[in-house]
Amino acid sequence: NAGVMQNPRHLVRRRGQEARLRCSPMKGHSHVYWYRQLPEEGLKFMVYLQKENIIDESGMPKERFSAEFPKEGPSILRIQQVVRGDSAAYFCASSIHGGQENTEAFFGQGTRLTVV
Amino acid sequence: GQNIDQPTEMTATEGAIVQINCTYQTSGFNGLFWYQQHAGEAPTFLSYNVLDGLEEKGRFSSFLSRSKGYSYLLLKELQMKDSASYLCAVNSGYSTLTFGKGTMLLVSP
Repeated sequence: NAGVMQNPRHLVRRRGQEARLRCSPMKGHSHVYWYRQLPEEGLKFMVYLQKENIIDESGMPKERFSAEFPKEGPSILRIQQVVRGDSAAYFCASSIHGGQENTEAFFGQGTRLTVV
Repeated sequence: GQNIDQPTEMTATEGAIVQINCTYQTSGFNGLFWYQQHAGEAPTFLSYNVLDGLEEKGRFSSFLSRSKGYSYLLLKELQMKDSASYLCAVNSGYSTLTFGKGTMLLVSP
């Protein structure tokens, strides 16, 4: 049973370009979470999705960032017109249950985005 | 608001016992998680506490006191490979986790 798969592991983008980060949850998991980790900072929640639905996007910047989790295929975190401040590690996690039933979330290896 | 505090760094010797503390103030509480994260790698799940008391799992144990907003992770028989960042995180009620900044543990020979 493969774990949470994220790709690419490393992504370099020039300012103004778009970044697309992909996450395939563990088999049987329908709850996906995206977190961002800046150097010397803790993981910060961005968005929580269930198949085809955004459940909680309270941690997402209002502009340039979007996320989706289609019925088929991986979850995508999209950052438009990237700026240097977007450079960070982006982690995806998945769980089999959500809400109050969530007792364990598994993380992917992360995508390290560098904006030059 | 949400606030989770844990020490920034700790050092210990191989074979020793170390306790990493975590205090939290959150708007809701639906369980506390501990994760281990080696540099450049994914956080790895260690433990989950939702009721008061001690949960033991091999060399690692985790304790929770909900009335005090306090948890600790206890690592016994430390090994060099335990050098990592240890993350305390709270599920404040709707599944998403609020993380502390992590405690960097350095185990020396």
